[in-house]
Amino acid sequence: ETGVTQTPRHLVMGMTNKKSLKCEQHLGHNAMYWYKQSAKKPLELMFVYSLEERVENNSVPSRFSPECPNSSHLFLHLHTLQPEDSALYLCASSPGLGTDTQYFGPGTRLTVL
Amino acid sequence: AQSVAQPEDQVNVAEGNPLTVKCTYSVSGNPYLFWYVQYPNRGLQFLLKYITGDNLVKGSYGFEAEFNKSQTSFHLKKPSALVSDSALYFCAVRANTGGFKTIFGAGTRLFVKA
Repeated sequence: ETGVTQTPRHLVMGMTNKKSLKCEQHLGHNAMYWYKQSAKKPLELMFVYSLEERVENNSVPSRFSPECPNSSHLFLHLHTLQPEDSALYLCASSPGLGTDTQYFGPGTRLTVL
Repeated sequence: AQSVAQPEDQVNVAEGNPLTVKCTYSVSGNPYLFWYVQYPNRGLQFLLKYITGDNLVKGSYGFEAEFNKSQTSFHLKKPSALVSDSALYFCAVRANTGGFKTIFGAGTRLFVKA
């Protein structure tokens, strides 16, 4: 509905698994973002890409690895996660990096066992 | 450093009554301010933003917010609440000094009772 889709919507993984989250935007935007949303905490910005180039890596552990193959797609590769990484992972896009509004996907609910 | 405070975890309002969701911010330079709403099992949805100009900003679904520079506040308001307004509301700020990182508050849950 917002033009930003995320798959899967729900993911349960063990600490030794490797999985990937996918985000696709159909809005022709140039910037894409990954956020982590945990209960009763502010949204945490993880990564920002502009024109497929990473412009922000917000002190995120290396077990999270982003990939932006083109301006429409953004991935978050996950490996050897910890239970405290369980959260809602939100993808967003915006026309640019200035004053632009961000458009969010529905999120992937991740549970790490 | 930029920061956003939403002092209330939860706001309860009766349907038809006015509602206010509070937000204060701290930023170097002039702020760009945003309000987003999140319904269950959905991503955040843009409501309104203040960039410059008139301090009273009108947004979607009858919401408005007033920018108060002296109090560093950007409270969200609606004259008459609806049950369907029940959701999680996020205030966000970005500095206009060339940065692009938007800082979000922890969110305020609004309950509107019929």
